[in-house]
This record gives sequence, C-alpha cells and structure tokens, in this order.
Amino acid sequence: AAGVIQSPRHLIKEKRETATLKCYPIPRHDTVYWYQQGPGQDPQFLISFYEKMQSDKGSIPDRFSAQQFSDYHSELNMSSLELGDSALYFCASSFAGAGEQFFGPGTRLTVL
Amino acid sequence: ELKVEQNPLFLSMQEGKNYTIYCNYSTTSDRLYWYRQDPGKSLESLFVLLSNGAVKQEGRLMASLDTKARLSTLHITAAVHDLSATYFCAVAPLLYSGAGSYQLTFGKGTKLSVIP
Repeated sequence: AAGVIQSPRHLIKEKRETATLKCYPIPRHDTVYWYQQGPGQDPQFLISFYEKMQSDKGSIPDRFSAQQFSDYHSELNMSSLELGDSALYFCASSFAGAGEQFFGPGTRLTVL
Repeated sequence: ELKVEQNPLFLSMQEGKNYTIYCNYSTTSDRLYWYRQDPGKSLESLFVLLSNGAVKQEGRLMASLDTKARLSTLHITAAVHDLSATYFCAVAPLLYSGAGSYQLTFGKGTKLSVIP
C-alpha cells in the first residue's frame, strides 16, 4: 500500500538559512499535518491543511510557513533557521472524518 | 488545552514479564491512538481506539480505552526483546476544529527496554 512520502530525508543547513520540506500524502487523503519532534521529545503539532486550506495551527514559529497544493502535496518552508530548529519533521495524512493519521518517514533537519 | 500524561516514562523489564503503560488525558475525547517509535524512525500505528470500552489486541500488546475515566492502557504480556522501543499515546480533540482536522496531542512517551 502507498505510504506518505517525505523529502528530503536528511537536510543539513547553516543558521539563518532557509529550508523547504515536502510531503506527498497517501492517494485520496485530503488532510495533511506537520509535526516537529525534538531530540528525546514527543511530536508537537505545527499546522494542518484540509482541501488545500489551512485548518489548524499549533506551535509553529512565525518564521515557518506552509501550504497545500492542488495535487494535495504540502510544503513546509522554514526561514532564518536557528539551532533549536534541529529536529525530526513528520508529515501525516488522513482522509477527513476517518481521523486516523498515517505518518511519513520524517525529515531530519540539522542546523549548524 | 488538551494535556496527555503517560506513565511510566521509562520502563525496564525482563523478558517474559507483564507490565502496563498508562495514558491519562485531560478533556473529553473519542479518539485515542497508540504508536511505536524506534530510535530515529517514524511513528508506527499500533492501535486506534474509538469508543468507550474499546479493547484491541495484537500479539503481546493489548490496548483499552475508558473515556469516562479518560484513561487508556497498553498492556504488555510476556515481553520479548523486540518490543524495546518508545511507545506514545496520542489523543485527538472531540470536536472538529474547522474542516476535518484532528491534530494529535501526544504523551511524553514511554521508553521500554526489555532485558534478556
């Protein structure tokens, strides 16, 4: 069965640089969620999209933005990167109403 | 604000023993999930619990949900080394917040080590 695809899987950036993370949801899933997981921490909800509209916002810094495109893939744009942004970033997708979220493999971002 | 508490946070147990991980949450919810995470890996869905009294079992793991007590348990029977991982419970809010979004609030996780 098709799963959630995330790219890149690993990313190394310098402070103050920008990064773009991509997420391709499971086919026919119309809801995408982004989570951030710091080392030894639990995943924290950042933002979600339903039918290409932002539906919820969590603890996402103003330096970050995201969108969902017409083909339902989503991108998380991160600017002015800080050391504290180093984390695993997960994308999850679901079919609205079903609730269950399926997680992608994650993107490991390292900020030097 | 929805809060999710798991305990214990660390669990070291011998192979063959039984143990239970607890997950309490602060507000009404009708959807609770258990995930397994190996170091540096993604979140693997173990159980989806959608109603009061729900009980699900898979191999040596069994999960239950009591929505009145706002409590879920993950019971491990006759632990084996392969079960070593971090286990998270996660709760979705009861009400839709807008259009079909169920952002998850996770517990801190229980790091399980099964010792031969």
